[in-house]
Amino acid sequence: GQNIDQPTEMTATEGAIVQINCTYQTSGFNGLFWYQQHAGEAPTFLSYNVLDGLEEKGRFSSFLSRSKGYSYLLLKELQMKDSASYLCAVPKSGGSYIPTFGRGTSLIVHP
Amino acid sequence: AAGVIQSPRHLIKEKRETATLKCYPIPRHDTVYWYQQGPGQDPQFLISFYEKMQSDKGSIPDRFSAQQFSDYHSELNMSSLELGDSALYFCASSLGLQGRNTEAFFGQGTRLTVV
Repeated sequence: GQNIDQPTEMTATEGAIVQINCTYQTSGFNGLFWYQQHAGEAPTFLSYNVLDGLEEKGRFSSFLSRSKGYSYLLLKELQMKDSASYLCAVPKSGGSYIPTFGRGTSLIVHP
Repeated sequence: AAGVIQSPRHLIKEKRETATLKCYPIPRHDTVYWYQQGPGQDPQFLISFYEKMQSDKGSIPDRFSAQQFSDYHSELNMSSLELGDSALYFCASSLGLQGRNTEAFFGQGTRLTVV
């Protein structure tokens, strides 16, 4: 099965940089997803990493280390609208690509 | 651009009743996923379909069933509803399986309340 660990809550200041960490244990690795979810809304895809290293996409970057079972999501130039839950997800076991979500990290951005 | 459409957006049912949730994927998407998200919980994968066949199964109760039709829309049928079934039900669609070049898009969800 999958075991995903993320901080429950983080706070940061508008304009700052924040790093949300995720550690995982999974039998058979098929990549790692990051999703953003605003309260009461649908998750929105942010990134998918399958190889080690950093992938940058605008203000958001995602890093993966398969040997360490570790990933982080880096958010730069924080905006108030970035206040949301950030879900780290790895595909369920058995060769599937369907994301199994962790509890998510609630990020609060304040002025 | 067209998105994933779910209906109804809100549904209130009594215990032991049945409910049917519908999902219309993005045009040309052939894969549909269903998730259940309870209050303050992470989305739990229920079931998925690829080309009208069940492709994967998660924590879907036996009281629930689902199918994907010839036009690729999907329906989640829920019977003998329990209070614990109250949740936000998301449908997502993708063209092929999710991965590096295949992103899943989520609908706005159906909020089911069982009273």
